[in-house]
Amino acid sequence: NAGVTQTPKFQVLKTGQSMTLQCAQDMNHEYMSWYRQDPGMGLRLIHYSVGAGITDQGEVPNGYNVSRSTTEDFPLRLLSAAPSQTSVYFCASSYRRVYGYTFGSGTRLTVV
Amino acid sequence: AQTVTQSQPEMSVQEAETVTLSCTYDTSESDYYLFWYKQPPSRQMILVIRQEAYKQQNATENRFSVNFQKAAKSFSLKISDSQLGDAAMYFCAYNNAGNMLTFGGGTRLMVKP
Repeated sequence: NAGVTQTPKFQVLKTGQSMTLQCAQDMNHEYMSWYRQDPGMGLRLIHYSVGAGITDQGEVPNGYNVSRSTTEDFPLRLLSAAPSQTSVYFCASSYRRVYGYTFGSGTRLTVV
Repeated sequence: AQTVTQSQPEMSVQEAETVTLSCTYDTSESDYYLFWYKQPPSRQMILVIRQEAYKQQNATENRFSVNFQKAAKSFSLKISDSQLGDAAMYFCAYNNAGNMLTFGGGTRLMVKP
């Protein structure tokens, strides 16, 4: 039981490049979310999903796309990377509210 | 939209002493959960304790307990017998009816030996 797996753990991009952050969970959780964490700040919600085929925007969705074709996977796509997207990104999944969310180990992204 | 506020950017406590971290939230909902998460330097997010809004009894998990004041929209975390391993960032989080989680800005806890 691997929990929530994020890849890569570290990434450096040049401004304007695109990339996909991968997230997979093996717990059959319906709810999945992407957060970004900037220095001195809490986690801010980018996008979330309540099940396969259903996604919605969070607090800071601009510059990011998501899709949820399977229950297990919830990739986050950066369309054209900007220095403002330098951050640590967390993927999380949840079965029911009472159990809270299980988090991946994060991806540290630097855009130069 | 819900907001979560942690007014203490940093706190310090002597080993074996007790410390309380504050959290307030703003919501018009009656059905929600509240959580405290711990983030050590490894940056892994670890669930510490949960509280359901409908339950009046304050949650307790070993050395961790909460003071949930629903009318005041306050949700503080008390850590008893503090240990060096408790040093971390602590985040208060609100979970709404749609299972969407909103975090506060965090409190950095330092534990002095």
